[in-house]
Amino acid sequence: GAVVSQHPSRVICKSGTSVKIECRSLDFQATTMFWYRQFPKQSLMLMATSNEGSKATYEQGVEKDKFLINHASLTLSTLTVTSAHPEDSSFYICSARDSGSEAFFGQGTRLTVV
Amino acid sequence: AQSVTQPDIHITVSEGASLELRCNYSYGATPYLFWYVQSPGQGLQLLLKYFSGDTLVQGIKGFEAEFKRSQSSFNLRKPSVHWSDAAEYFCAVGIIQGAQKLVFGQGTRLTINP
Repeated sequence: GAVVSQHPSRVICKSGTSVKIECRSLDFQATTMFWYRQFPKQSLMLMATSNEGSKATYEQGVEKDKFLINHASLTLSTLTVTSAHPEDSSFYICSARDSGSEAFFGQGTRLTVV
Repeated sequence: AQSVTQPDIHITVSEGASLELRCNYSYGATPYLFWYVQSPGQGLQLLLKYFSGDTLVQGIKGFEAEFKRSQSSFNLRKPSVHWSDAAEYFCAVGIIQGAQKLVFGQGTRLTINP
């Protein structure tokens, strides 16, 4: 199946700094990418949907100025957590979809803000 | 609004025993239904999906699921579990409109007793 690579897998940052997470589709062109957040022992909550070359669509309650999403090419989307705080610590997962109906998931990024 | 309910938060079965994980959905149209598995600290792997046609779908790793429209259910089954099946299992419904987002259930954690 198609491969989605997410980097880094783990990151620790200081409170107040920004962190960028990359999501790449390695062997297909992703027309749409999705960013999810997962709290411990909980389900995945969709944060935003991004289409290549256009602004991301954020879910209700997600701060677009805090979670910056860029989908500059058909194989790369980035999520930047700006001015991170400890409450932003979480597991972030991206998924990518081609022109078909299946979404492929990255390995996830464990963000810890200290 | 679309929703997915997985009634069982945690299930423990013995190795070699049969397994059924429950999933109920709420969606106004014909749903796209998915089952994913997540190992600790990892992304999601697709086990199987239902779009249309035969209501009994076969997936990877010996899993199957049956779509029952009258019960709004999509339960996951495996006749004989292996210790390696211990993981978190998520049922999801695909929202067809727009970017086809996935709405996830709360997840069921599966523990296997030796």
